[in-house]
Amino acid sequence: GAVVSQHPSRVICKSGTSVKIECRSLDFQATTMFWYRQFPKQSLMLMATSNEGSKATYEQGVEKDKFLINHASLTLSTLTVTSAHPEDSSFYICSARDQAGRAETQYFGPGTRLLVL
Amino acid sequence: KQEVTQIPAALSVPEGENLVLNCSFTDSAIYNLQWFRQDPGKGLTSLLLIQSSQREQTSGRLNASLDKSSGRSTLYIAASQPGDSATYLCAVRPGANSKLTFGKGITLSVRP
Repeated sequence: GAVVSQHPSRVICKSGTSVKIECRSLDFQATTMFWYRQFPKQSLMLMATSNEGSKATYEQGVEKDKFLINHASLTLSTLTVTSAHPEDSSFYICSARDQAGRAETQYFGPGTRLLVL
Repeated sequence: KQEVTQIPAALSVPEGENLVLNCSFTDSAIYNLQWFRQDPGKGLTSLLLIQSSQREQTSGRLNASLDKSSGRSTLYIAASQPGDSATYLCAVRPGANSKLTFGKGITLSVRP
């Protein structure tokens, strides 16, 4: 089946630093990737939708200057949390839509645990 | 605005029991509904996807039903096993290219 990877799986950083999270589709091409954030005991909340070669679409309330998304190729999207603060600590999950599959087919990555001290 | 609710938030059952997980949604105009499994600290694994025209889907010991008019879906797990312990999330999609709206999930614990 389709595989989506994320790197790193967990990261601990100091407040004020920037952290980059990579999301890769390993065996399919993804024109659209999604970035979610999940707090403990909470639902997945969509942060933004990234389309290869164009600007990401951010959900209401998500700061685009703080959460920078780049989708430079059909297999890679990156999320950079700039000037991270403790309240940014969360579980970040990416998802990729198979270009060749049905529009509603999304495959999810294993997630990245971010802890900001 | 579509809202997805899963109650209770947690459930503990003895091994071997058949169980039902519930999901309700406020807007019945959906394209499909999907059940996912999430293990602690991990991503999501899709279990079953039900299109709006379907009433149920089955995979092994899992059966998911959909009643659009009442805004409800259930995930039935037969003969539960400790390996079924995980969080089960329900998500609905309003249209083919629309985003998924997730519930908070039900954390299931199956006791040996």
